Amino acid sequence: AQSVTQLDSQVPVFEEAPVELRCNYSSSVSVYLFWYVQYPNQGLQLLLKYLSGSTLVKGINGFEAEFNKSQTSFHLRKPSVHISDTAEYFCAVSDTNSGGSNYKLTFGKGTLLTVNP
Amino acid sequence: ETGVTQTPRHLVMGMTNKKSLKCEQHLGHNAMYWYKQSAKKPLELMFVYSLEERVENNSVPSRFSPECPNSSHLFLHLHTLQPEDSALYLCASSQGAGTYYEQYFGPGTRLTVT
Repeated sequence: AQSVTQLDSQVPVFEEAPVELRCNYSSSVSVYLFWYVQYPNQGLQLLLKYLSGSTLVKGINGFEAEFNKSQTSFHLRKPSVHISDTAEYFCAVSDTNSGGSNYKLTFGKGTLLTVNP
Repeated sequence: ETGVTQTPRHLVMGMTNKKSLKCEQHLGHNAMYWYKQSAKKPLELMFVYSLEERVENNSVPSRFSPECPNSSHLFLHLHTLQPEDSALYLCASSQGAGTYYEQYFGPGTRLTVT
């Protein structure tokens, strides 16, 4: 069974500071990895995903993440945050399951990023 | 309307009521999903439909009954719910079924069971 651990439930930062949101996963097979963002009273929106290839993935809104297979991590980073980045961020993992269809994303509990002026 | 819409946005129901949640996607996708988002718990996949056929039922109690009459609409019929079923219910759609495809989420229905 897979699992996702987001080590920080809340991360407060000041505007224009860099931020890293941590995500570790466990899986016995190869994986796809995702970061989603949820703004208040909205659904989830995909920030970026790792399917294969380069381990450094760039996403929307200036975010990037790096897949580290040996450490089973997929940390999300942004060099300079804005007030508008205040939201909840979810890391998710799924099997690649090349032998058939796989429908299940396993999510972490989320990290609330609060950007203060 | 664009993207994925859900109605109602808020719903309060008693344990003996029957109600339905509606989801509509305007993206031309072939797969649709129901998720449950409870406070302080990870998002949980409930059901997956691909081309109107249910392909995943993630051990969901029978008091939740999904229906997918066509590729644009998805319903979740609710009956005799429990207070622990109070949560945000999110609908999503994707071009194809499977996690390779990006899922687009609706804003959710906030359900309160009294």
